Amino acid sequence: GQQLNQSPQSMFIQEGEDVSMNCTSSSIFNTWLWYKQEPGEGPVLLIALYKAGELTSNGRLTAQFGITRKDSFLNISASIPSDVGIYFCPTASSGDKLTFGTGTRLAVRP
Amino acid sequence: GAVVSQHPSWVICKSGTSVKIECRSLDFQATTMFWYRQFPKQSLMLMATSNEGSKATYEQGVEKDKFLINHASLTLSTLTVTSAHPEDSSFYICSARAGLAGGFTDTQYFGPGTRLTVL
Repeated sequence: GQQLNQSPQSMFIQEGEDVSMNCTSSSIFNTWLWYKQEPGEGPVLLIALYKAGELTSNGRLTAQFGITRKDSFLNISASIPSDVGIYFCPTASSGDKLTFGTGTRLAVRP
Repeated sequence: GAVVSQHPSWVICKSGTSVKIECRSLDFQATTMFWYRQFPKQSLMLMATSNEGSKATYEQGVEKDKFLINHASLTLSTLTVTSAHPEDSSFYICSARAGLAGGFTDTQYFGPGTRLTVL
C-alpha cells in the first residue's frame, strides 16, 4: 500500500522564525492537501494542490506540489503562537478517500 | 462556506450503552461523508465512507455492526456506536466532501470532532 511520510515529526521553534515541513510518498497523486489540527478540534483545510509544480499561498503559508507528484512542502513564514498544532498532508486516492500521515507537530515559543 | 458541524461535541456514557453522533454539512450538500477515529497523539484513521441513500463502506478491521452509519440526507450522516466499551473511547471526526457545485471533488471539510468517553 501507499506510504505517506511527514517530516519532521515535531518542531519547537521561536516565534518569528520560518518553518518548513514536507511530505513524501511512494505513490503518485493528483491531489495534495494541507490541513492544520488544533487540540480538540477537527482538521482545517489550509491549502489544496491539484497540479504538479503548483505553488500556492494562503497568507503566511506557502505550499508546493512536487513535479514528480510524490512530494509536497509547506512553509510558514514569521511564525506566531497561534500556528501551534499538528499539520497533516493527506492525499486523495480512489473514491476520494484521504490517507493521513503521522503529522508534524509544531510548537511555537513566544 | 463549507462548514461541517458535529453533535455532541463530547459525550460520556456507561459501558454497554449506545451513542449516536451527528454530522451535518451546514452550507453545502455532501453526497459523501467520511467518519474517522483519532486516538491520543495519533493520526486520523478512516473508519467508513458514507454515501447518501446507500450503505456505508467500511474500512478493513472496522465492525459494521458496532459502528452503524446512516446517511439519510445530503446534509446529515450519523454514526452510532453500539454497546460501547472503554476501548471505543476516542475522538470521532466526520468530514464531508463538497460536490462540484461546492468546490473541488477531492476536498474534504472536517467537523470539530466528538470526544467519546466510555466508562
